[in-house]
Amino acid sequence: EPEVTQTPSHQVTQMGQEVILRCVPISNHLYFYWYRQILGQKVEFLVSFYNNEISEKSEIFDDQFSVERPDGSNFTLKIRSTKLEDSAMYFCASSEERYVIGEAFFGQGTRLTVV
Amino acid sequence: DAKTTQPNSMESNEEEPVHLPCNHSTISGTDYIHWYRQLPSQGPEYVIHGLTSNVNNRMASLAIAEDRKSSTLILHRATLRDAAVYYCIPSQNSGGSNYKLTFGKGTLLTVNP
Repeated sequence: EPEVTQTPSHQVTQMGQEVILRCVPISNHLYFYWYRQILGQKVEFLVSFYNNEISEKSEIFDDQFSVERPDGSNFTLKIRSTKLEDSAMYFCASSEERYVIGEAFFGQGTRLTVV
Repeated sequence: DAKTTQPNSMESNEEEPVHLPCNHSTISGTDYIHWYRQLPSQGPEYVIHGLTSNVNNRMASLAIAEDRKSSTLILHRATLRDAAVYYCIPSQNSGGSNYKLTFGKGTLLTVNP
């Protein structure tokens, strides 16, 4: 069964450092997403991406965040200068079509710990 | 955004059916109703979605009220692997070319052996 793959599974970084979280979406999918979940809290939408540009972003996704699809397979989330409050599970997702008529496949997540 | 109300937690016994309710009284006529679940330490997993008619798939059934203000996810025979947080999510047309999923707190389902 196809799956979304995220690396690394766990990343520890110092406050102020840049991190890049990587995702390999399902190959024929066209829509890509990042979500995050702070420990004990809800899963929160960050950004959606289609046709090599951001379709929608949340208030959380400020100038410190960026996304990129550098080649035909990877989808990355960069945090330029991490803060303690960026510590969370980050989930990548992809879908073949829009959510409303399809399903989104989520990766297993990257646990980011900012110290 | 359509507001949803789900019980914080529910408990079931293995091999028994489970009915997980969701109220979404402010849902719009074009919103689909999605159900996702999140097993411990994993990413969310799609379960089922529907618009007006009841839906079945290999994982579950979705019963949608005639007025669409509520729905029920039915797991026909709960297994220990079904222990998870279940989220009812009306899809949202945000006006762009993509849609986002807005997760609430969901229902924590405990399955007893």
